[in-house]
Amino acid sequence: QSVLTQPPSVSAASGQKVTISCSGSNSNIGNNYVSWYQQLPGTAPKLLIYDNTKRPSGIPDRFSGSKSGTSATLGISGLQTGDEADYYCAAWDSSLSIVVFGGGTKLTVL
Amino acid sequence: EVQLVGSGGGLVKPGGSLRLSCAASGFIFNKAWMSWVRQAPGKGLEWVGHIKTKSDGATTDYVAPVKGRFTISRDDSRNTLFLQMNSLKTEDTAVYYCTTVLRLVQAFDFWGQGTIVTVSS
Repeated sequence: QSVLTQPPSVSAASGQKVTISCSGSNSNIGNNYVSWYQQLPGTAPKLLIYDNTKRPSGIPDRFSGSKSGTSATLGISGLQTGDEADYYCAAWDSSLSIVVFGGGTKLTVL
Repeated sequence: EVQLVGSGGGLVKPGGSLRLSCAASGFIFNKAWMSWVRQAPGKGLEWVGHIKTKSDGATTDYVAPVKGRFTISRDDSRNTLFLQMNSLKTEDTAVYYCTTVLRLVQAFDFWGQGTIVTVSS
């Protein structure tokens, strides 16, 4: 049981937009920064979003992040088949003094 | 170009020990917080722990299941991160990734390729 809650799977058609939610509490998302990671099959995770909304160099602006209260959302627009991957949210938890991850969401592009 | 190359994984019996290494290049290692993240087969990501820079006290934090059994250390002269794993359990079987840490926002910006650890009798 993960501290951060994500839907196990989402799907959308190629070219459309999808959102992935991440729900936590005041001890993690509510008072700390959220990051998002993409893990393509058989590869190491890659940072997509940090500081709730910022994109590292090289990450296209099709990927966006937002945060409101104790929830965060990853948006992916202009979906491509290459976006099929597992997506994870993460945040520092001030009560546990650890980084907590969501359970991951598998994205299928139809 | 940032590179993190892990090594030292393998098959070990329950109760045994293993030491993972992560050789870093392409950035100023002694200024970077470093972390280990693991992923059990078919499961999600789990933070193992991190080590701060010497200037930040080189302090470490760990997730509860590994506290007292795992130790993270660093050798800044060799640009290398270590994970000493003792009293290994079958549930420690996972791919172990070393990562750099964006310290102010606790995000993992660069990842190694992963090192496989299998604990089995």
